[in-house]
Amino acid sequence: NAGVMQNPRHLVRRRGQEARLRCSPMKGHSHVYWYRQLPEEGLKFMVYLQKENIIDESGMPKERFSAEFPKEGPSILRIQQVVRGDSAAYFCASSPMTGGLNTEAFFGQGTRLTVV
Amino acid sequence: QKEVEQNSGPLSVPEGAIASLNCTYSDRGSQSFFWYRQYSGKSPELIMFIYSNGDKEDGRFTAQLNKASQYVSLLIRDSQPSDSATYLCARGSSNTGKLIFGQGTTLQVKP
Repeated sequence: NAGVMQNPRHLVRRRGQEARLRCSPMKGHSHVYWYRQLPEEGLKFMVYLQKENIIDESGMPKERFSAEFPKEGPSILRIQQVVRGDSAAYFCASSPMTGGLNTEAFFGQGTRLTVV
Repeated sequence: QKEVEQNSGPLSVPEGAIASLNCTYSDRGSQSFFWYRQYSGKSPELIMFIYSNGDKEDGRFTAQLNKASQYVSLLIRDSQPSDSATYLCARGSSNTGKLIFGQGTTLQVKP
């Protein structure tokens, strides 16, 4: 399967724990985007990364959330000290190029985070 | 004002009818627009993108863009029960590629 791979698919954390969400982009894609979807809401942009660089983090909460995309390995979205309001589906998308009028982003299956 | 607005629905149409999904946007500089379909509990999947004024057709789907009215629509001809899903409209950012999504419209196609 050469699609965008996210793991885990489901993650349960107690309040105060850390959540780590992983995303491996499609082969040949070097641009990774993270989106969050709260229950009954649309997708909200969080962060855009290229290898070893955060390009746009305008959608990231100011505290507890961080993201990285190292030279080797998957992109990681890290949520520290989780709270119940962090419960959501987190989607990763990848694309082969920046911008352009028809930049298609392909989504992974998502990680459903539940904070108990 | 939201950047991308959609009526959340649900929009209900009978099988075989044309479903019309609408979307408006606030940024006049927006150039590219995307329609995604999302089944309950699943990830969004790209249906079409459009960046020129007018119509773009792909099978049973037609996307329409009117930049003067800041309006994008998606028509689904010969609607099938399997088309029942949430349809997400998004505008693209030309310099970063990020997508700004609307709330999504839930479509129900009744047999």
